Amino acid sequence: GAGVSQSPSNKVTEKGKDVELRCDPISGHTALYWYRQRLGQGLEFLIYFQGNSAPDKSGLPSDRFSAERTGESVSTLTIQRTQQEDSAVYLCASSSTSGSRETQYFGPGTRLLVL
Amino acid sequence: AQSVTQLGSHVSVSEGALVLLRCNYSSSVPPYLFWYVQYPNQGLQLLLKYTSAATLVKGINGFEAEFKKSETSFHLTKPSAHMSDAAEYFCAVTRWGYGGSQGNLIFGKGTKLSVKP
Repeated sequence: GAGVSQSPSNKVTEKGKDVELRCDPISGHTALYWYRQRLGQGLEFLIYFQGNSAPDKSGLPSDRFSAERTGESVSTLTIQRTQQEDSAVYLCASSSTSGSRETQYFGPGTRLLVL
Repeated sequence: AQSVTQLGSHVSVSEGALVLLRCNYSSSVPPYLFWYVQYPNQGLQLLLKYTSAATLVKGINGFEAEFKKSETSFHLTKPSAHMSDAAEYFCAVTRWGYGGSQGNLIFGKGTKLSVKP
């Protein structure tokens, strides 16, 4: 079956603009995660959704970052008033449940460049 | 709190040589540990995971890792490197908090593996 897909694959924006990044998880996966990968800094957790529970937003770096998920379907990560330090690869992952043993399946990422 | 340390941001080996990528973890609870690989311009792919069953875990592409509680380590090895193994490798631990698993992974900073012909 299809894996996790993300769009766009690349996004160039100007400082101060808003951007929306989209993630389509694997069908039937109830858990969805967003991570950020900045150059030389590894992957940082941003937010995760599990079914209809309230999302865990503890990794969001500022209130300019927000995310939504429609049921157990697509998710959108929005960054408002982008800053140059937001430049990174944004990775989405999904798993069949949020259990800690579960394998997370990653999408190819969206490469964001803020000029 | 949990954390992961990967020793060596860049490792270079010759084709056919042993691959050893080091990972040490810190966790106040029994950890679940993962190794992921990232090829250029691609997402992460699971190589193997430790979830408290056998301490020696075998994964894809001939990789394996051994969980050593006494050393708080989960090093990744492969007996004979191939050119196709050139990639970045990430060790990760599941985050736990009050009430149990928080679901997300805490990653090390990654190790880039180069394979020389």
